[in-house]
Amino acid sequence: AQTVTQSQPEMSVQEAETVTLSCTYDTSESDYYLFWYKQPPSRQMILVIRQEAYKQQNATENRFSVNFQKAAKSFSLKISDSQLGDAAMYFCAYRRMMDSNYQLIWGAGTKLIIKP
Amino acid sequence: DGGITQSPKYLFRKEGQNVTLSCEQNLNHDAMYWYRQDPGQGLRLIYYSQIVNDFQKGDIAEGYSVSREKKESFPLTVTSAQKNPTAFYLCASSMSTLGDEQFFGPGTRLTVL
Repeated sequence: AQTVTQSQPEMSVQEAETVTLSCTYDTSESDYYLFWYKQPPSRQMILVIRQEAYKQQNATENRFSVNFQKAAKSFSLKISDSQLGDAAMYFCAYRRMMDSNYQLIWGAGTKLIIKP
Repeated sequence: DGGITQSPKYLFRKEGQNVTLSCEQNLNHDAMYWYRQDPGQGLRLIYYSQIVNDFQKGDIAEGYSVSREKKESFPLTVTSAQKNPTAFYLCASSMSTLGDEQFFGPGTRLTVL
């Protein structure tokens, strides 16, 4: 069975600096999707970034980028120029590409604190 | 505006009572999902539905029931058989194709008194 591990329960960063959140996963599949979701204090879950495993190029969305290491089964999220609004829980999630039930496997989350 | 609504935001239930959580979407999505979120854990899938009048159990379906009579609605009933129902419940939806983003509602916090 697939698993997703986020080893950092909490991270803190100074405003305007860069922070990296770690995520590792375990799978025997070769094709799959990986996601980072953000859950601010409002608790509304928001998609931050998505990566298809067959794409070698790392996904980027403005200040958010990933370091996808397929062989190492690692999918870290880098947040550049951190802002106060980035403070939230961040969840890493995995989904098999051919999974007809669209089920996401979730990590336990990392709480990101931004210091002003 | 398109989106997902969940009601109520907070819900209190006495032990032994059934309670129904509402989830409505106007995104014209085929697939809908119910997740449970507990402190220190990732989301766990309760039930999902790919089309109207069809739904499947997720990892923790025991003590829960759902219906999908309309495309836009996917209510979740927490029955008295659910031994530890106090949690935060999130509803989501997505287009039917693989890999699509799941959009989430604002959630319902259920507390059993």
